Amino acid sequence: QVQLQQSGPGLVKPSQTLSLTCAISGDSVSSHLVTWNWVRQSPSRGLEWLGRTYYRSKWSYDYAVFVKSRLTITPDTPKNQFSLQLFSVAPEDTAVYYCARATSGRFDSWGQGTLLTVSS
Amino acid sequence: VMTQSPSTLSVSPGERVTLSCRASQSVTSNLAWYQQKRGQAPRLLIYDASTRATGIPARCSGSGSGTEFTLTISSLQSEDFAVYYCQQYNDWPWTFGRGTKVEIK
Repeated sequence: QVQLQQSGPGLVKPSQTLSLTCAISGDSVSSHLVTWNWVRQSPSRGLEWLGRTYYRSKWSYDYAVFVKSRLTITPDTPKNQFSLQLFSVAPEDTAVYYCARATSGRFDSWGQGTLLTVSS
Repeated sequence: VMTQSPSTLSVSPGERVTLSCRASQSVTSNLAWYQQKRGQAPRLLIYDASTRATGIPARCSGSGSGTEFTLTISSLQSEDFAVYYCQQYNDWPWTFGRGTKVEIK
């Protein structure tokens, strides 16, 4: 049974960087069968997929167009986790952020969620 | 674009409920349904339009292909009152519907 445990701050000031980590148990970040994703949810925009990383013969990354210039997802093989960095945050980035495992496109395991508030 | 209807459904326990999800273009059978309760992460119910995820009771079923999909709960239990989302994974980027809230009548 895979479990995803998120950690990171819940409050970030505008223009600063959001950093979140998702620790994996019961699976490997290097698995060839799944992808590791970040999804956020807000009342105004609903559920939005942000980006993913996955390993096949090398590490690959995909990002949603609307955050591509501000988002980095990084795997950490020794710690079996992956992280999100969202640069230059703004109030519109206020949302609940989830990490999630995807198997053939469907999100079959989710982290507990982190409520991020962007405020000075 | 994934469009779910209705946005809210008021149902009595024991009733049958049918939720709709429509895609703006064909997603073949690459569609999933999720249940989300207040303060919790979404939970996968159905994938590939009609396959139940592990541990999901038989009263939940999915159907459809192309652009029209339905999620049916045959006899609503107290734990089924929640928000339900559809998600397509046929076209990049993967996208979600805005959800249908199933509330107690």
